[in-house]
Amino acid sequence: QSVLTQPPSMSAAPGQKVTISCAGGSSNIGSHFVSWYQQFPGTAPKLLIHDNNKRPSGIPDRFSGSKSGSSATLVITGLQTGDEADYYCGTWDSSLSVVFGGGTRLTVL
Amino acid sequence: QVQLGQSGAEVKKPGSSVTVSCKASGGNFSIYSFNWVRQAPGQGLEWMGGVIPMFGAANYAQKFQGRVTITADKSTNTVIMELRSLRSEDTAVYHCARSPQQYNWSPDVFDVWGQGTMVTVSS
Repeated sequence: QSVLTQPPSMSAAPGQKVTISCAGGSSNIGSHFVSWYQQFPGTAPKLLIHDNNKRPSGIPDRFSGSKSGSSATLVITGLQTGDEADYYCGTWDSSLSVVFGGGTRLTVL
Repeated sequence: QVQLGQSGAEVKKPGSSVTVSCKASGGNFSIYSFNWVRQAPGQGLEWMGGVIPMFGAANYAQKFQGRVTITADKSTNTVIMELRSLRSEDTAVYHCARSPQQYNWSPDVFDVWGQGTMVTVSS
């Protein structure tokens, strides 16, 4: 059971927009920055978003993040078949641990 | 640009120990947090702990306290994770991951990841 809660799966058509949620609590998302990672099968996670809404260089602006209270959201616009992957949110928890969501498998139909 | 290269796959017996290494190339090694994140087959990400080479000491997830040791060798820019008393549930891919936050014991972001090391625990 993950500390952060994400929907296990989502799907959308190419060109559409998808919103992936990440729910936590006051000890984690509510008081620390959130990061988002993209992972393709058999590969390492890749940083998509850090500090709630900042993109590392090279990440397209189709990917955006936000945070409100104890929840965070990853939005992907203009979906492409290459976006089909697993997405994880993560942050620090005041119990002295990094915590992650269980992951969301995105299918681009 | 920092890159992390990990040691190869391991197959271990229950009750034994495994050591996985992670060598950093490029960038300043000592001032960043290097962490271990594992992923069981078909499961999500799980943080095990991390170390800041300059300080030497590591912090661990409560779940792994007493069973894992993470060390850093500044002379070779290598971070080592030892997991003891292995059980079948430890079968997973083990990733090392760097946090870009200098001198930070409470990382909330990992910007560089190793390729992963598969550890299989089986009798």
